[in-house]
Amino acid sequence: NAGVTQTPKFQVLKTGQSMTLQCAQDMNHNSMYWYRQDPGMGLRLIYYSASEGTTDKGEVPNGYNVSRLNKREFSLRLESAAPSQTSVYFCASSEGTKYEQYFGPGTRLTVT
Amino acid sequence: RKEVEQDPGPFNVPEGATVAFNCTYSNSASQSFFWYRQDCRKEPKLLMSVYSSGNEDGRFTAQLNRASQYISLLIRDSKLSDSATYLCVPFKAAGNKLTFGGGTRVLVKP
Repeated sequence: NAGVTQTPKFQVLKTGQSMTLQCAQDMNHNSMYWYRQDPGMGLRLIYYSASEGTTDKGEVPNGYNVSRLNKREFSLRLESAAPSQTSVYFCASSEGTKYEQYFGPGTRLTVT
Repeated sequence: RKEVEQDPGPFNVPEGATVAFNCTYSNSASQSFFWYRQDCRKEPKLLMSVYSSGNEDGRFTAQLNRASQYISLLIRDSKLSDSATYLCVPFKAAGNKLTFGGGTRVLVKP
C-alpha cells in the first residue's frame, strides 16, 4: 500500500498564478485533511473533509479551496497565489476525525 | 493560553540516556492524545496513541496526567535515530479535530 500520496513534490509559482495540489489515499479512510507548515511553526489545518461529500474550514482557510473528489482523493487549490502561501503542504487521512492521522510526504511550494 | 504547549528544546541527550518531556493542553475535554515524530523536512509519523492513562511501546512511554492537564513522553536507551521533533496532539470532540503542538526537538549525540 502506498498510504497517502501527494503531487507535486515541489512547485514554484509566481504571484497571482493558480495551482491544484493533489492528494490520494489507499487506506479506505473516511476523513482527509490539508495542513500547512511554516519554518519553526506547527502544523496548521487549512481544510478538512470528515467524510466523502463534506468539507469544512480549518484554522487558516483564506486563499484556498478544496474538493473531495471521491473517497480516495482530496485536492487543494490556490486560486491566486501569494508569497505568504510559501510553505510545505501536507495532506493526511484518518479512519474518522477522532483517530490517528497518516500523512503524505508533502509538497514544498514557493511563491515568488 | 495556547491549546497545546511544548518546550521547543532542543533536548541534547547522550546516546543511551533517558529523556522525558511534557506537553500541556488547555482543553480539559481532550479525549485522546497522539505523539508524532517529525524528521527534518519530512512528514509527521505516528509514534503512539494514548486513549487512557498512558501507553508503552518498546523504549517509548507516554503518561497522561488529566488533573494537571499534561502528557509526557519518555524515551529510554536513546538511539541516534531518535533525533527528531516530537509533536503532541490532543483530540477534542468539539471542533472534531486534532490540534498539533509546535513540537519538542530532541538531539541524541554519541
